[in-house]
Amino acid sequence: QVQLVQSGAEVKKPGASVKVSCKASGYTFTSYGINWVRQAPGQGLEWMGWISPYNGGTNYAHNVQDRVTMTTDTSTSTAYMELRSLRSDDTAVYYCARDRRIAVAADAFDIWGQGTMVTVSS
Amino acid sequence: EIVMTQSPATLSVSAGEGATLSCRASESVSSNLAWYQQKPGQAPRLLIYGASTRATGIPARFSGSGSGTEFTLTISSLHSEDFAVYYCQQYNNRPPWTFGQGTKVEIK
Repeated sequence: QVQLVQSGAEVKKPGASVKVSCKASGYTFTSYGINWVRQAPGQGLEWMGWISPYNGGTNYAHNVQDRVTMTTDTSTSTAYMELRSLRSDDTAVYYCARDRRIAVAADAFDIWGQGTMVTVSS
Repeated sequence: EIVMTQSPATLSVSAGEGATLSCRASESVSSNLAWYQQKPGQAPRLLIYGASTRATGIPARFSGSGSGTEFTLTISSLHSEDFAVYYCQQYNNRPPWTFGQGTKVEIK
């Protein structure tokens, strides 16, 4: 079945970096964009950015664009989100989520990963 | 950035009753509006896209309406599994895509 499986929980110190993975299966990885969304404890959803596995094109949210890099490895159907210079307010569950339609960047997210908890604490 | 505002923040409803959730956009998003359901400890689940189209496998008791800046999610008769937090999201034209702050539907 179509699914996104994310890497496990991480604990990082302020100033460190984290790289979260999202492995796709059950569909053609290069056909659908991947978004990253985070959710701080008890808070709502925040879109962080998007990547096209087809050509590597990206679009990042303004508030993280200087610290985030999204990449893909088409040989393993895996998307990655790296966040640098971590702060305590980066503590959140990070989700990857697939665009609903093929090659359409402006779309709802139909498949979500299970989430990866990233804790930033000294 | 388009700001999405949901109301109410919390809705107390008895099982079997209906519920109406609202979402307002700070500018027109046409029909590029999705609704998601999230239960504790779970990832969000797509319910509605295009403002009114149910996603695959979503029961008919969920319906969406609206266009432009005003949107509504209606649950016709709440089942026990429907008690959750609901988010609207706009994906109009170009990023950033933005979510509302959520409406929690709780058991009365």
